[in-house]
Amino acid sequence: DIQMTQSPSSLSASVGDRVTITCRASQTITKYLNWYQQEPGKAPKLLIYAASRLQGGVPSRFSGGGFGTDFTLTISSLQPEDFATYYCQQSYSSPRTFGQGTKVEIK
Amino acid sequence: EVQLVESGGGLVQPGRSLRLSCAASGFTFDDYAMHWVRQAPGKGLEWVSGISWNSISIDYADSVKGRFTISRNNANNSLYLQMNSLRPEDTASYYCVKEDSVENWLSFDYWGQGVLVTVSS
Repeated sequence: DIQMTQSPSSLSASVGDRVTITCRASQTITKYLNWYQQEPGKAPKLLIYAASRLQGGVPSRFSGGGFGTDFTLTISSLQPEDFATYYCQQSYSSPRTFGQGTKVEIK
Repeated sequence: EVQLVESGGGLVQPGRSLRLSCAASGFTFDDYAMHWVRQAPGKGLEWVSGISWNSISIDYADSVKGRFTISRNNANNSLYLQMNSLRPEDTASYYCVKEDSVENWLSFDYWGQGVLVTVSS
């Protein structure tokens, strides 16, 4: 199975900050990397697929990058509604493993 | 509008069975693969099982293989998860998830609200 490791596990940031979350795969997944946002008590929501493609309706302050084994999710200017937990997931092979999550909290 | 509505959750004793259902609407159900993803209380996301549009390709996480069975009925736009020999570690919210097959990137583009399954004596 492909292991997905996110860092950090949590972070504190202020509104307006630039935030970057990293995700590392245990083997190459080319660009089969997705990012999800989960607000407390809600279902996850797809933000980015294919490592860098923004899902429809997602604000442009979100961006993704990377290829192979190392990927990033960047929020260019953190907004109040962005305080949530973020998960990466590989869709390269089964099982479709997720990272352990990164909780973004208010500083 | 895409809607995925799960049902069938609840409290069940260890070793017993439960069947989850997911009613899909707002898209052509039989064009897409579907999945179940679970989340234990306070924990991260775990993929459980997936089924292709025509039910030919089915896969399971090792943690549920041999105990859970995924199925679908394209005639009534429904997805199911039959869960047998339930264990306390199966306690979680279970999400019904649609796979986006655009360009075959295989992301999970729509999620239900989730249904809670609690396995306890």
